[in-house]
Amino acid sequence: SQQGEEDPQALSIQEGENATMNCSYKTSINNLQWYRQNSGRGLVHLILIRSNEREKHSGRLRVTLDTSKKSSSLLITASRAADTASYFCATPRAGTALIFGKGTTLSVSS
Amino acid sequence: DAGVIQSPRHEVTEMGQEVTLRCKPISGHDYLFWYRQTMMRGLELLIYFNNNVPIDDSGMPEDRFSAKMPNASFSTLKIQPSEPRDSAVYFCASSKAGGYSGELFFGEGSRLTVL
Repeated sequence: SQQGEEDPQALSIQEGENATMNCSYKTSINNLQWYRQNSGRGLVHLILIRSNEREKHSGRLRVTLDTSKKSSSLLITASRAADTASYFCATPRAGTALIFGKGTTLSVSS
Repeated sequence: DAGVIQSPRHEVTEMGQEVTLRCKPISGHDYLFWYRQTMMRGLELLIYFNNNVPIDDSGMPEDRFSAKMPNASFSTLKIQPSEPRDSAVYFCASSKAGGYSGELFFGEGSRLTVL
């Protein structure tokens, strides 16, 4: 069963605009991770935020975590066509396996 | 490092045939995960290993699915007999510390089509 659910399911923007994706989860976590998947490829880790962190940055990525609302957001600033991909949030289930949401498909047009 | 290596990349088979998917994890990673991805169900965890030992196989759909990890550098996922509903992309991922504290490294996937 999915632990995280991303919103929106699909997002279309122009190059240069910012893209925001949200993730909600159900149970307590110790970290939340975001992954990217290009079409026909495997998932690639983007960023991990721990439960005691509220915000984290990596290049053009900004992730926030609100444990009281059980939600996270991924912001991609100044989007490029190369950012076109599906983005997934993932949280650890009891044990150490990651459970993924169904993803947000981002399309960036030039 | 070559990353996680999966084979075959594509497999087309007929219903009832045996399918074997293979995975070579990153050297030094103690955790290995098998996931299945479909449009309808997204990414589903099938099974994972720690130090070659299966820890949680509750995601394996049914007895037709089996997974082994005979050594630290090789794992297989077998489907026997295969059915059309098994059509999906199967991913293998490895990790040093597991998802509890670290990231997973994914292979490029094996796309299975069962006719």
